Amino acid sequence: AQTVTQSQPEMSVQEAETVTLSCTYDTSESDYYLFWYKQPPSRQMILVIRQEAYKQQNATENRFSVNFQKAAKSFSLKISDSQLGDAAMYFCAYRRVIQGAQKLVFGQGTRLTINP
Amino acid sequence: NAGVTQTPKFRVLKTGQSMTLLCAQDMNHEYMYWYRQDPGMGLRLIHYSVGEGTTAKGEVPDGYNVSRLKKQNFLLGLESAAPSQTSVYFCASSYFWTVTDTQYFGPGTRLTVL
Repeated sequence: AQTVTQSQPEMSVQEAETVTLSCTYDTSESDYYLFWYKQPPSRQMILVIRQEAYKQQNATENRFSVNFQKAAKSFSLKISDSQLGDAAMYFCAYRRVIQGAQKLVFGQGTRLTINP
Repeated sequence: NAGVTQTPKFRVLKTGQSMTLLCAQDMNHEYMYWYRQDPGMGLRLIHYSVGEGTTAKGEVPDGYNVSRLKKQNFLLGLESAAPSQTSVYFCASSYFWTVTDTQYFGPGTRLTVL
């Protein structure tokens, strides 16, 4: 079964600095998708960035980028120039397709605090 | 577009009571999902639907039922609530499962069962 592990329950960073959140996963599949979601206090789940496993190039979205290491089954999120609005829970997720429907398997989450 | 909405936002039940959570989406998505989120854990899939009139079990389906009578709505029912069902419930939807597809989440419903 696929599992997703986030080993850092909490992280903090000074505003304007860079922080990296870790995620590892376990799968026997060769084609899959990985995601990072942000959950602010409003509880809304917001997609931050997506990575297709067949692509070697790391995905980037403005200040957010990933370091995807397929052989190591590692998928870390780097946030550059941290802003106060980045404070939230961050969830790593693995997408699998079963019986025609996509299912997301989530990690336990990392709570990110931004210090002004 | 409102995206994905959930009703209610908060609810308190007594053990044994029943209730229905409503999820609505206005994006014409085929797929809809119900998740629960417990403290210290990621979201876990309860049930999902691949289209109007269809439902299927996810990871943790026991104690819940669902219905998808209309494409835009996905209902989650608790027939006899238990304290173990205290959680935050999220609904999500997606158009299909294409390469670029993404699940869009609602704001969540906090349910407490006493």
